Amino acid sequence: EAQVTQNPRYLITVTGKKLTVTCSQNMNHEYMSWYRQDPGLGLRQIYYSMNVEVTDKGDVPEGYKVSRKEKRNFPLILESPSPNQTSLYFCASSPLPVDQPQHFGDGTRLSIL
Amino acid sequence: RKEVEQDPGPFNVPEGATVAFNCTYSNSASQSFFWYRQDCRKEPKLLMSVYSSGNEDGRFTAQLNRASQYISLLIRDSKLSDSATYLCVGLRTDKLIFGTGTRLQVFP
Repeated sequence: EAQVTQNPRYLITVTGKKLTVTCSQNMNHEYMSWYRQDPGLGLRQIYYSMNVEVTDKGDVPEGYKVSRKEKRNFPLILESPSPNQTSLYFCASSPLPVDQPQHFGDGTRLSIL
Repeated sequence: RKEVEQDPGPFNVPEGATVAFNCTYSNSASQSFFWYRQDCRKEPKLLMSVYSSGNEDGRFTAQLNRASQYISLLIRDSKLSDSATYLCVGLRTDKLIFGTGTRLQVFP
């Protein structure tokens, strides 16, 4: 089954404790991206990747890192999480060009205390 | 001004009603447009792309007015299952710009 898999689905953690949210897709998509969704602000792009070893900042990259060592994986890293990173996070992938339908993961709800 | 703006709603309509949402955009997010649907706490899913000539998919019609910089979504014969948040999305270079969404609640 074609899918985008995010882990974990839910995480409660404390300020400053490094964490990684994994994202994996099995559709051989070139384009992958991370979004955060907050009430009243909608989905905002954090980082995106056009292909292996190619990553670019989205609109809200501060406090996040990503890597794209393999085509299928695009982990999101919070080196020193802070409470303002409490949010619902979505990973998405698509073929290129970017105007193709985006396939989203189920979401990861992060709470940083 | 936000690149893509929507009325958050909620729009409360009875089953069978016709409802329309508008979305305005700024020049930077104007390559291509889409409507996504998001159910509560779920991931967004593509509803339809929006073409300059307007396009229809069953009960759904999308239109683009470049002169006035807005996109519309019309839903005819609303069903209870149409209750969701509808996200207007623009494309800027390689980035998708999401509106905050318009919430629709269809009641019996």
